[in-house]
Amino acid sequence: EDKVVQSPLSLVVHEGDTVTLNCSYEVTNFRSLLWYKQEKKAPTFLFMLTSSGIEKKSGRLSSILDKKELFSILNITATQTGDSAVYLCAVEAGNTGKLIFGQGTTLQVKP
Amino acid sequence: DTAVSQTPKYLVTQMGNDKSIKCEQNLGHDTMYWYKQDSKKFLKIMFSYNNKELIINETVPNRFSPKSPDKAHLNLHINSLELGDSAVYFCASSQKRVVGTEAFFGQGTRLTVV
Repeated sequence: EDKVVQSPLSLVVHEGDTVTLNCSYEVTNFRSLLWYKQEKKAPTFLFMLTSSGIEKKSGRLSSILDKKELFSILNITATQTGDSAVYLCAVEAGNTGKLIFGQGTTLQVKP
Repeated sequence: DTAVSQTPKYLVTQMGNDKSIKCEQNLGHDTMYWYKQDSKKFLKIMFSYNNKELIINETVPNRFSPKSPDKAHLNLHINSLELGDSAVYFCASSQKRVVGTEAFFGQGTRLTVV
């Protein structure tokens, strides 16, 4: 059965800290891995990763994929209170666009 | 301009009722989805339509019936609502690319069955 597992499930840090969120997967017909940020409402897209070893970067956020070891990490440097959210990892399986989500990591950044 | 919009945002109803949630996207995407998010924030796909054709139908009770009148709309009708149907339902859309497919989500409909 296809599975996506995120760790840790929750994390509390202080502003300025650096955090690393983990996502491992076992999925047949892997097509891509995506990271989303969910605050109060809709998940908003952060990154899509399809190739191993190529870092995607956006401001203080970066992510990388390892297709051999079947995992991805999301790094956030110099965290701010606005980074507090649930971070969702999803793997696209097959050609239908179906996303299999992990349980999410709840990040709380304290002032 | 809202890319993926759902109505209503909140829905409180009694057990046994029938209700519908509507979704519209103005992104020109070919594929639309319904996802269910439970109280533990776990998102799981329910249905997907591509150009009005059903392409994903996960293990969902028959009481749930999606309808896509055109590729910009995907509605969800739920019959005989049960307490366990309480959740947040998200509509999403995507356009398939050569590598990878990025889905855009609506704001969600919080359904509470009492």
